[in-house]
Amino acid sequence: GDSVTQTEGLVTLTEGLPVMLNCTYQTIYSNPFLFWYVHYLNESPRLLLKSSTDNKRTEHQGFHATLHKSSSSFHLQKSSAQLSDSALYYCALSRNNNNRIFFGDGTQLVVKP
Amino acid sequence: NSKVIQTPRYLVKGQGQKAKMRCIPEKGHPVVFWYQQNKNNEFKFLINFQNQEVLQQIDMTEKRFSAECPSNSPCSLEIQSSEAGDSALYLCASSLGDRAAEQFFGPGTRLTVL
Repeated sequence: GDSVTQTEGLVTLTEGLPVMLNCTYQTIYSNPFLFWYVHYLNESPRLLLKSSTDNKRTEHQGFHATLHKSSSSFHLQKSSAQLSDSALYYCALSRNNNNRIFFGDGTQLVVKP
Repeated sequence: NSKVIQTPRYLVKGQGQKAKMRCIPEKGHPVVFWYQQNKNNEFKFLINFQNQEVLQQIDMTEKRFSAECPSNSPCSLEIQSSEAGDSALYLCASSLGDRAAEQFFGPGTRLTVL
C-alpha cells in the first residue's frame, strides 16, 4: 500500500545552518502528489509546499523541495535555519481525488540560537 | 489562513464516557477529513466524507466512533466509549477534493481521557 517515511523523528540545528528533512514514499501510482505540511505549536497545520512534477524544484517561504520519482523522494530543504522554523514537519502523499492522503510520522525541527 | 472551525478546543472525559467534537469545514469544501494526532505526533487518518457520504474509514472508527457530516450542520465525531488511549489531538481538515488540493486544518480538539 501507499506509505510515506520520514527517517528523522527529531532534528536539532543551530540557527543559520542548512535544513534537510528526509521524505521517501511508496506507491504503485505513477503520478502522486507530494506535500509538506508544517505544524507550529498551538496553531493549525498548514501547507508549506507541494509538487507532482518530476525533477522540478518547488519553493515557498525559503523552503524548497524537488520530487525525484527515480528515488521516490521529496526532501525538504532550507539554506539557513531560523529560530522561527522550529515546528513539526509532515511529508504527505496523495494519489486519487477525494481519497485520504498518507502522512509520514512527522519530524520535529528544533532550531537553537 | 484556514477557516475550519473546531469545537470544543479542549475536552475532558472519564473512561467509558462519550466524547463528541464538531467541525465546520471551509465554505465550499465538499471533502472533510478527521485525523488523530497522538502523543508521538503521528497523524492517524480516521475517516473522510464527501458531502454527507463516508468515503473511507479505518476499522477503529467503524467500531468505536460515530461520525457524520449532515448538510447545513457541523460535522461531528463521537467516541462512544472513551478509553485512555483515545487521549490525543483530533484534527479536522477540509479540501476541494482533487488530489492536488490543499487540506485546510482546524485548530483541533484536545481530548483527555482520565
